[in-house]
Amino acid sequence: DQQVKQNSPSLSVQEGRISILNCDYTNSMFDYFLWYKKYPAEGPTFLISISSIKDKNEDGRFTVFLNKSAKHLSLHIVPSQPGDSAVYFCAASERYGTASKLTFGTGTRLQVTL
Amino acid sequence: SQTIHQWPATLVQPVGSPLSLECTVEGTSNPNLYWYRQAAGRGLQLLFYSVGIGQISSEVPQNLSASRPQDRQFILSSKKLLLSDSGFYLCAWTKESTDTQYFGPGTRLTVL
Repeated sequence: DQQVKQNSPSLSVQEGRISILNCDYTNSMFDYFLWYKKYPAEGPTFLISISSIKDKNEDGRFTVFLNKSAKHLSLHIVPSQPGDSAVYFCAASERYGTASKLTFGTGTRLQVTL
Repeated sequence: SQTIHQWPATLVQPVGSPLSLECTVEGTSNPNLYWYRQAAGRGLQLLFYSVGIGQISSEVPQNLSASRPQDRQFILSSKKLLLSDSGFYLCAWTKESTDTQYFGPGTRLTVL
């Protein structure tokens, strides 16, 4: 039972264009959502996050949108750059006391072409 | 600033051998600590988390165990490795009562 889904395993975008990565979740108890970027053989790097009380959060070229009614979030990267090529994971957080437990999607491999 | 270390970076072990992976965090106190595994072509699966010394919560019943002997040290162990234990093991930390987890560089474990 996958509670966080990234249905597109890969995405190819031309440099300078917008990259849109999508993520769906099923658990209504998730209250915080994060995007991570990962290169092979490295740990994920935190990119941007959003609380469930917001519908948009922006940081430079990265914007995350949250649609709670649809249980859907997306990451927009604009303009896309070749260095953005990596695997992107969305994650959803559920709080257990003082700890947060993240449930990850299976990732989307983004390739930004020249 | 805070940093997180994992070692070894890579490990090749025979089936049935023991395992000990170490994770340490610098620059913070009383962090929450987490162990994840990424199997080939899969997402990250939470294995264990800890909110304090000696406090371990297990998420997935399996051949592994975790311990937290010191505030900023988290250890992943096994008495006898299985082929299915192969994967990329990641340690992460958060400040208490926050959601953003920061990951270490990972350990690539191959069980032959």
